[in-house]
Amino acid sequence: KNEVEQSPQNLTAQEGEFITINCSYSVGISALHWLQQHPGGGIVSLFMLSSGKKKHGRLIATINIQEKHSSLHITASHPRDSAVYICAVLMDSNYQLIWGAGTKLIIKP
Amino acid sequence: ETGVTQTPRHLVMGMTNKKSLKCEQHLGHNAMYWYKQSAKKPLELMFVYNFKEQTENNSVPSRFSPECPNSSHLFLHLHTLQPEDSALYLCASSQDKGYTFGSGTRLTVV
Repeated sequence: KNEVEQSPQNLTAQEGEFITINCSYSVGISALHWLQQHPGGGIVSLFMLSSGKKKHGRLIATINIQEKHSSLHITASHPRDSAVYICAVLMDSNYQLIWGAGTKLIIKP
Repeated sequence: ETGVTQTPRHLVMGMTNKKSLKCEQHLGHNAMYWYKQSAKKPLELMFVYNFKEQTENNSVPSRFSPECPNSSHLFLHLHTLQPEDSALYLCASSQDKGYTFGSGTRLTVV
């Protein structure tokens, strides 16, 4: 079993829909990252969470430390949101990242 | 531009070639990393440098050779690669919990 599990693996939705991507982990962490990777490769850090909730524009990230679960929400989704969204947890033992497999999101116009 | 700069962005090399990937950050971060991303796989950590000292080498073949001459620069020297080494190679730097990633070098070995 992977230490970081993301769901769904693939998600296709219509423009305007509310999107939720989930991440569950099984190790002790000091923080959780949500990252975005567009075709072509570059990775952009969206959020780093240790507790609670963060919002940036149409993106919202939440984390429940007790349940070892985090969600990334996109409101009013747009085709430009199409990308791979990756959850990565920062281990509390050595500050190294453990990566989820990513969720490939496609938003159709 | 994220603050971590990788060059080149794309590289095509033959199996007998020697080439180097470069990563540079001026964020004052004390740790730098090389990751490999193969098609449809999670990122794999290759090397970690903390304060210029290599602290992690995740069973990477010797045809990949890292070099960290100072805390701002990281290189990945490549020689006698195989076609299965074709992948996206990502550099990252970190300070405490915050990570910054480069845009990656897309490597094709022919």
